[in-house]
This record gives sequence, structure tokens and C-alpha cells, in this order.
Amino acid sequence: QKEVEQNSGPLSVPEGAIASLNCTYSDRGSQSFFWYRQYSGKSPELIMFIYSNGDKEDGRFTAQLNKASQYVSLLIRDSQPSDSATYLCAVISNYQLIWGAGTKLIIKP
Amino acid sequence: GAVVSQHPSWVICKSGTSVKIECRSLDFQATTMFWYRQFPKQSLMLMATSNEGSKATYEQGVEKDKFLINHASLTLSTLTVTSAHPEDSSFYICSARWGSSHSNQPQHFGDGTRLSIL
Repeated sequence: QKEVEQNSGPLSVPEGAIASLNCTYSDRGSQSFFWYRQYSGKSPELIMFIYSNGDKEDGRFTAQLNKASQYVSLLIRDSQPSDSATYLCAVISNYQLIWGAGTKLIIKP
Repeated sequence: GAVVSQHPSWVICKSGTSVKIECRSLDFQATTMFWYRQFPKQSLMLMATSNEGSKATYEQGVEKDKFLINHASLTLSTLTVTSAHPEDSSFYICSARWGSSHSNQPQHFGDGTRLSIL
């Protein structure tokens, strides 16, 4: 059974700090990795996707992928209260999208 | 880009009613669409995957005769909850993706439909 693991949180971060969200996956052959944000009562929204080892930056968001260690992370710089949400990690394994359970992030003003 | 529209947003109806939910990709061709269900404070649960022009693939435990899925075009998929009962009350979310079944493209989500069966 292919798995994607995330700490459920909540992760509490002061406003303006860097929020670091981590995700590990079990299938070494996975090639595609996604981060989604889900506000309470809303549907998921794609934040970032990454396919290659290293960092990928988009505004305040940076996705980091380390295939050797089988983890992918999401950094949020200058965290804002509006970043408070559940962040879902998803990994394509054997052509199927496997979801993590999500990390609840709380940004404290 | 990659906008997915889902309609209706809310449905409240009596037990025994059938409810149809539409999912449209507005600015891309969605070769594959997915239907999820999410109960409060729980994870997303994939119900079925549909490819344009072919029968949907249902996840284990999902009744195909109760949740009818049609994906007749590259921009529209529908989910019909037949003879809905209170236990079917949930948040139903569709997503769409372009590319083949082996695609590594991300899924893009609609806004979801909150279904309440009285």
C-alpha cells in the first residue's frame, strides 16, 4: 500500500515567520508531487507542483523535493493569517494520486 | 487558467430524491475527471474516476448503481446520486485533469457541492 504521510498538526506559526510543512512518501518511484490548500468548508486549491529534485519557488511559496530521502516540503514565507488552512500533500504513485491526510496550519497574528 | 466549475453549490432535498451535480472544465479539455466525497473533519475520499467517452472506474465500496457518473464530453462530467438518503449527505467535489490516464498533470478542483438530504 503506497502511503503519503503528513503531521496532522495543528502547526502554529506567528505572523510574518516561515511556515514549514513536510510530507514523506513510500513509493521511491514517484515522480510527481503536489501541494494543495484547503480552507475549512471549501474545496482544495492547487498551490504548487514539483517534479524534479531541488527547490521551486512561486511568490511566497517554495516547494522542496528530495527524492533520495523521499520527502517533499512546502515553505511559506512571511506567513499571513489568511494562510491558515489545511495543506494537503499528494503524490502520483503508479499513475494514481495518493493523498496525505493534511497538516492544519494556524498563523497567529 | 485551469478553471473547473461545479454546480449546484448547495442542494437540500427530501429523502428518495435523485440529485444531479455537474462539473465543467471551462478553459481546458478534461480527459479525466474525478469525484470525491468529504465528510466533516475527514480526508478527501475518491469515489470514482471517469475518462471521456468511457465508463467510470469506481473505488471499492462505492455503489455504481447509486452514484451514476457520465463523462460524455471533454468538458462535462455529471454525478447523479440516485434515491438519496440522509447518509448520503456530504460535500461532493469534482476535479479535472488533462492528459492520458498516465498523465502527471495536477488535478484542478471545482468549488464542491454541499448535499443535505432531509
